[in-house]
Amino acid sequence: EAGVTQSPRYAVLQEGQAVSFWCDPISGHDTLYWYQQPRDQGPQLLVYFRDEAVIDNSQLPSDRFSAVRPKGTNSTLKIQSAKQGDTATYLCASSLINYAEQFFGPGTRLTVL
Amino acid sequence: QQKVQQSPESLTVSEGAMASLNCTFSDGTSNNFRWYRQHSAKGLEVLVSIFSDGEKEEGRFTAHLNRANLHVSLHIREPQPSDSAVYLCAVSGATGGNNKLTFGQGTVLSVIP
Repeated sequence: EAGVTQSPRYAVLQEGQAVSFWCDPISGHDTLYWYQQPRDQGPQLLVYFRDEAVIDNSQLPSDRFSAVRPKGTNSTLKIQSAKQGDTATYLCASSLINYAEQFFGPGTRLTVL
Repeated sequence: QQKVQQSPESLTVSEGAMASLNCTFSDGTSNNFRWYRQHSAKGLEVLVSIFSDGEKEEGRFTAHLNRANLHVSLHIREPQPSDSAVYLCAVSGATGGNNKLTFGQGTVLSVIP
């Protein structure tokens, strides 16, 4: 069974540029999560979906970050006008049902210069 | 808001010696506790999940939960150099809901031959 896949694996950009991250969850998993993991810290939940619906985006900086999962499968996280403080690894995870184990992808390591 | 703290920040042990990691949490109504391992540039791998007070063993990894003391620990028996990684404690349940994992900042484990 294929795991959670993410792309790109690395991204380097200047402040003010935009970037998108893509996540393909495990087939059949209805719940998808995006986490931000700054260097030397634990992951922090940004947003999660059940199918195509956003369940909780309370920690997503809504002025510059957006996330979609239009068909309830793949998902895209976008940062408009990136800042140096956005430098982190962005992790995607998926789970089969509510309360179930989350399976994590390898992450996208973002550096904003 | 749930706070999760891990100690020590870093730990060096010799191959074959027991490694012990600690995690404290602030919300005593939490009911889901997980230990993850994160190798550099890789996703999180769940090691042990524990949901009730006591002990849970998964191979060489044993978690101990004491909710009255707001404490969960991980013990690694006969650690090997390949166990060198960041270990993350994650807590969920109760007020945050079971989907919202709150992570500690991690313990960096180094196992020397």
